[in-house]
Amino acid sequence: GAVVSQHPSWVICKSGTSVKIECRSLDFQATTMFWYRQFPKQSLMLMATSNEGSKATYEQGVEKDKFLINHASLTLSTLTVTSAHPEDSSFYICSELDRADTEAFFGQGTRLTVV
Amino acid sequence: AQTVTQSQPEMSVQEAETVTLSCTYDTSENNYYLFWYKQPPSRQMILVIRQEAYKQQNATENRFSVNFQKAAKSFSLKISDSQLGDTAMYFCAFRTTSGTYKYIFGTGTRLKVLA
Repeated sequence: GAVVSQHPSWVICKSGTSVKIECRSLDFQATTMFWYRQFPKQSLMLMATSNEGSKATYEQGVEKDKFLINHASLTLSTLTVTSAHPEDSSFYICSELDRADTEAFFGQGTRLTVV
Repeated sequence: AQTVTQSQPEMSVQEAETVTLSCTYDTSENNYYLFWYKQPPSRQMILVIRQEAYKQQNATENRFSVNFQKAAKSFSLKISDSQLGDTAMYFCAFRTTSGTYKYIFGTGTRLKVLA
């Protein structure tokens, strides 16, 4: 069964509004989760690393005030896209490492469309 | 900085035939992990195969095998007896064994299996 549950699978929102994406660890407590963005027919681009109980580490060029990441518990990390614009439309994917930190498990992804 | 290169944007193969996907990488690390992930039209990332750099033996998972050439920094994926369900985007990925455990993905190869 799925180790990581991501919700929602798709969302449409109006420009200027905020949308929250949840990533839940179902199998074990994940201290580290990763958030990726994937443009059509392109690779996964790491946005940030989310660590439970501490501030997320953002990759260069990613606006931390626009993409708010919260990892308040060992089983839940959230990505909030604030004041969304059409250019934020994309596919967002979360992942977590297994207990041995040897393999990443991915959520189902969220397709965000900003209109 | 580590990089991962997949030089074949698209490939096709006849059902039941064998196909090889190429991947090269660059790193100064001596120990690391390499992965092949499959992303079917559902966009769920699925682990195909994993290789630890310290292991000389090439990893094998049923119809999937790799040719790992550490000195050449090459990590190709061979799919034998191709099936229609193998149609997907394939990403090669690199990860160190320490630090932040960030994954670095290649740009992907779109594989189409023809009936």
